[in-house]
Amino acid sequence: GAVVSQHPSWVICKSGTSVKIECRSLDFQATTMFWYRQFPKQSLMLMATSNEGSKATYEQGVEKDKFLINHASLTLSTLTVTSAHPEDSSFYICSAAGGLLNYEQYFGPGTRLTVT
Amino acid sequence: GQQLNQSPQSMFIQEGEDVSMNCTSSSIFNTWLWYKQDPGEGPVLLIALYKAGELTSNGRLTAQFGITRKDSFLNISASIPSDVGIYFCAGRASNTGKLIFGQGTTLQVKP
Repeated sequence: GAVVSQHPSWVICKSGTSVKIECRSLDFQATTMFWYRQFPKQSLMLMATSNEGSKATYEQGVEKDKFLINHASLTLSTLTVTSAHPEDSSFYICSAAGGLLNYEQYFGPGTRLTVT
Repeated sequence: GQQLNQSPQSMFIQEGEDVSMNCTSSSIFNTWLWYKQDPGEGPVLLIALYKAGELTSNGRLTAQFGITRKDSFLNISASIPSDVGIYFCAGRASNTGKLIFGQGTTLQVKP
């Protein structure tokens, strides 16, 4: 149980375009989903927290207009990187919490974004 | 802001050896978690600790929640090559659900 998927697993896009990343909890309903980014050899940095049906809460320094988060259902959250630039290239990981077992965060496999 | 200090930063050990890593904080946490991350993958939850002094095992892994609630350690006994990866501690201080992650410990095991 507590399986989280992400799609796509990797994406290459041109500078100025937008990219959407999906995060799904496959076998439980996630009341809360989290989005992180991770640079090489570094730890996970929380970008935003989203609860189903409400606006996401962004961490300090994260541009809400650039990183659009939608949590439309208890099993799906999306992160859209708008007008991507090379410095947005990173590993984006989502996590979901609220499963039957406990309230811990279970992570997706991550999405590698490369902006050229 | 809250920070976690995780050490050591990296370890290179022989297969069969025991491993120990720890995290300390200047703040009190109500929950300590240990995750393992393989290259190009998301972190996988290994052990969750909810009470000060709690000692929990998961196979060859043992973790403890420090009495002061400001630290935790993870031990791996009789390491094997598949233990290779990055281990992260994470603490949660409030009911927001947000986690604070340590910097990670990179473990390499020589067969």
